Amino acid sequence: GAVVSQHPSRVICKSGTSVKIECRSLDFQATTMFWYRQFPKKSLMLMATSNEGSKATYEQGVEKDKFLINHASLTLSTLTVTSAHPEDSSFYICSASYGAGGNEQFFGPGTRLTVL
Amino acid sequence: GENVEQHPSTLSVQEGDSAVIKCTYSDSASNYFPWYKQELGKRPQLIIDIRSNVGEKKDQRIAVTLNKTAKHFSLHITETQPEDSAVYFCAAGGTGFQKLVFGTGTRLLVSP
Repeated sequence: GAVVSQHPSRVICKSGTSVKIECRSLDFQATTMFWYRQFPKKSLMLMATSNEGSKATYEQGVEKDKFLINHASLTLSTLTVTSAHPEDSSFYICSASYGAGGNEQFFGPGTRLTVL
Repeated sequence: GENVEQHPSTLSVQEGDSAVIKCTYSDSASNYFPWYKQELGKRPQLIIDIRSNVGEKKDQRIAVTLNKTAKHFSLHITETQPEDSAVYFCAAGGTGFQKLVFGTGTRLLVSP
């Protein structure tokens, strides 16, 4: 149980385009979803916390107009990187948690974004 | 806010040896401390966690200890195997659905 999927697993796009990444909890309802960014050989950097039906809470330094997060249902959250630039190239990972489990977060497989 | 420090950044051991990774945290309100293992290009996998009402927890070759007074917690892996080689992250979090703050990671290499 507690499986989280992410799509796509890899995406290559041209500079200036927008990219949408989906995060789905497959077998549970995720009250809260989190979006992380991970640079090579670095730790997970939290970008935002997303609760179903409400606006995401962004971490300091993360541009909310650049990284649009939508959490429309208890099983789906999306991250849209708008007007992507090469410096946005990174590994983006989502995680999901549910109330009964407390703080445990279940991670998706990640999406590797390359902006040319 | 919470700040988590993790040491060492790299750790090399021989197969069969023990490995210890240490983390400290700053926010006394944190009460949940998970450890994740991440292999190259893969998702982080929870390997063990501990809550603040417990001082030690063990699961086969893996154990975690927590010292709330000193605000530090440690991961202990005994009888290490080459497949234990990965990056390990500690994290600290609060109640409810609050975020986790991750340590900087430890690259563990177990040589046969």
